[in-house]
Amino acid sequence: RKEVEQDPGPFNVPEGATVAFNCTYSNSASQSFFWYRQDCRKEPKLLMSVYSSGNEDGRFTAQLNRASQYISLLIRDSKLSDSATYLCVVRGNDYKLSFGAGTTVTVRA
Amino acid sequence: DAGVTQSPTHLIKTRGQQVTLRCSPKSGHDTVSWYQQALGQGPQFIFQYYEEEERQRGNFPDRFSGHQFPNYSSELNVNALLLGDSALYLCASSLEERDRVTEAFFGQGTRLTVV
Repeated sequence: RKEVEQDPGPFNVPEGATVAFNCTYSNSASQSFFWYRQDCRKEPKLLMSVYSSGNEDGRFTAQLNRASQYISLLIRDSKLSDSATYLCVVRGNDYKLSFGAGTTVTVRA
Repeated sequence: DAGVTQSPTHLIKTRGQQVTLRCSPKSGHDTVSWYQQALGQGPQFIFQYYEEEERQRGNFPDRFSGHQFPNYSSELNVNALLLGDSALYLCASSLEERDRVTEAFFGQGTRLTVV
């Protein structure tokens, strides 16, 4: 079983729409959770950390469910510039980051 | 402030050859991790260096080795290259603080093609 699993998509949505997707993680001892964004052929960049109580950053909302071991990301009022691959990332009680394979989002005009 | 820089950006090697990739961490960062990202996959952890020592290693063969220098920069070496080693190699740096590790910043990567 992969450490982090994501719905690969692609999610193809019109501008202004809301899109949401999840990932699940296998290590119940995981301690830190993140969403990274990766544009085509570029490096991953931190979008937001995910906290137990859930958190929001502008149009982006992240939720963490430790009991079910899943993390979600919701994007409101989608912009063309939101088109990217979103990587779910988990850190356990060690030093490495474990990445999902990514969820591709395409926002169309 | 220069972020994480990697060199070279692109590289083509022949099967069986050896390659060295280089990484300079973000200013003030002391920890360097290396990741391999195959096409359509998420980055996979190779190893992490801290205080010039390999602190943790992922599920990669001994053909993959590395080094960290006193200025915190790092090298990734891959021996006996296989076609399957073709990937984007990412370096990430962070700062070890008491009880936590800061956000990881990634370099733009080295795209290695083995032919």
